[in-house]
Amino acid sequence: KNQVEQSPQSLIILEGKNCTLQCNYTVSPFSNLRWYKQDTGRGPVSLTIMTFSENTKSNGRYTATLDADTKQSSLHITASQLSDSASYICVVRGNSGGGADGLTFGKGTHLIIQP
Amino acid sequence: EAGVTQFPSHSVIEKGQTVTLRCDPISGHDNLYWYRRVMGKEIKFLLHFVKESKQDESGMPNNRFLAERTGGTYSTLKVQPAELEDSGVYFCASSQASIYNEQFFGPGTRLTVL
Repeated sequence: KNQVEQSPQSLIILEGKNCTLQCNYTVSPFSNLRWYKQDTGRGPVSLTIMTFSENTKSNGRYTATLDADTKQSSLHITASQLSDSASYICVVRGNSGGGADGLTFGKGTHLIIQP
Repeated sequence: EAGVTQFPSHSVIEKGQTVTLRCDPISGHDNLYWYRRVMGKEIKFLLHFVKESKQDESGMPNNRFLAERTGGTYSTLKVQPAELEDSGVYFCASSQASIYNEQFFGPGTRLTVL
């Protein structure tokens, strides 16, 4: 069964600090992995997409890593800002098709940045 | 360019009533998806339209849910009659046909069934 597990479930850090969110998946065969940011009352917005051959990808202060061998990904946030407070959702796309074009969602990590 | 819009943003109804949710995808996006997130759980797929045709409705929980996309533009999702377990946030997403197939999400409709 395809699954995406995220940790921690929630995280509170001080403004300016760094943090790393984890995503482990069992989706096979693998196509790509996206990290989404979901602000309260909004829909998820894509931050990065990682394909099988990519190890690291950055988008401003966000850096995603992918280890396709261990089926793990991380999202590192540098110099956090209050606006980073949101839920971060890991979404893995498999190649076998199926509902939602084979997307499997994690439950997300709820990140709170405190001043 | 306008993003995916959904209406209403919130809906509170009593068990047994009917509710209709609406989604307007990004103009030109043939693919339209409905998802639901129940509190404490992950986002789950409901169904997928390609233009006006249902491509995959394997995620629809039961026959109380009816989705339509007449003319291949906006879509509606009707729940009739609503049950307590239907409460949650219903998201709509749309995408173009591309190798990355990024889905753009709407803000969601929060449905509460009392």
